[in-house]
Amino acid sequence: DVKVTQSSRYLVKRTGEKVFLECVQDMDHENMFWYRQDPGLGLRLIYFSYDVKMKEKGDIPEGYSVSREKKERFSLILESASTNQTSMYLCASSLGRPKGQYFGPGTRLTVT
Amino acid sequence: AQKITQTQPGMFVQEKEAVTLDCTYDTSDPSYGLFWYKQPSSGEMIFLIYQGSYDQQNATEGRYSLNFQKARKSANLVISASQLGDSAMYFCAMREVTGANSKLTFGKGITLSVRP
Repeated sequence: DVKVTQSSRYLVKRTGEKVFLECVQDMDHENMFWYRQDPGLGLRLIYFSYDVKMKEKGDIPEGYSVSREKKERFSLILESASTNQTSMYLCASSLGRPKGQYFGPGTRLTVT
Repeated sequence: AQKITQTQPGMFVQEKEAVTLDCTYDTSDPSYGLFWYKQPSSGEMIFLIYQGSYDQQNATEGRYSLNFQKARKSANLVISASQLGDSAMYFCAMREVTGANSKLTFGKGITLSVRP
């Protein structure tokens, strides 16, 4: 079975802090994705990566950056956290043009 | 423009009955894929079912089936014989092609509550 893990289930950070969210998948998938989920808005794509050191902006990249130094790991970075980045963050991975993405358990981030 | 539309308010169904969750989509790409995911209160997204735009038959996976009406651009999820464990948020999603790769666009989701 594909396993996607995220470094934390719950995280509380202060405004202005630099925040790292880590995602690791164990199935050698090329594609990895970061979403945020907010009530009434569904899932919105922040960034995705289809290869090591490659990244593409999603629908809402502002205020975020990503890093993919190894195939299995995809990091989401909040350079200076703000309260409007309080949200649930979901990581996913997939093969090429897949039938589906596999999701991690999510990180609920609160910025105070 | 919204590409995936899920407009139903919270849905309720009696245990053991069937329920249909609506999804409409918009795309000009002749090749696309449609997905349904379940998100229970634990938060993890669980893949349920997939329908390709060129598939001749409606997809089925156990108690889940996808009522695919291409001309109407709808991809409704049908859950038969509802169980209490089906209570969750359900998301419809569409695969969009970006070069050699693809990404998913999600709807806003529908909350389903199964009553005993």
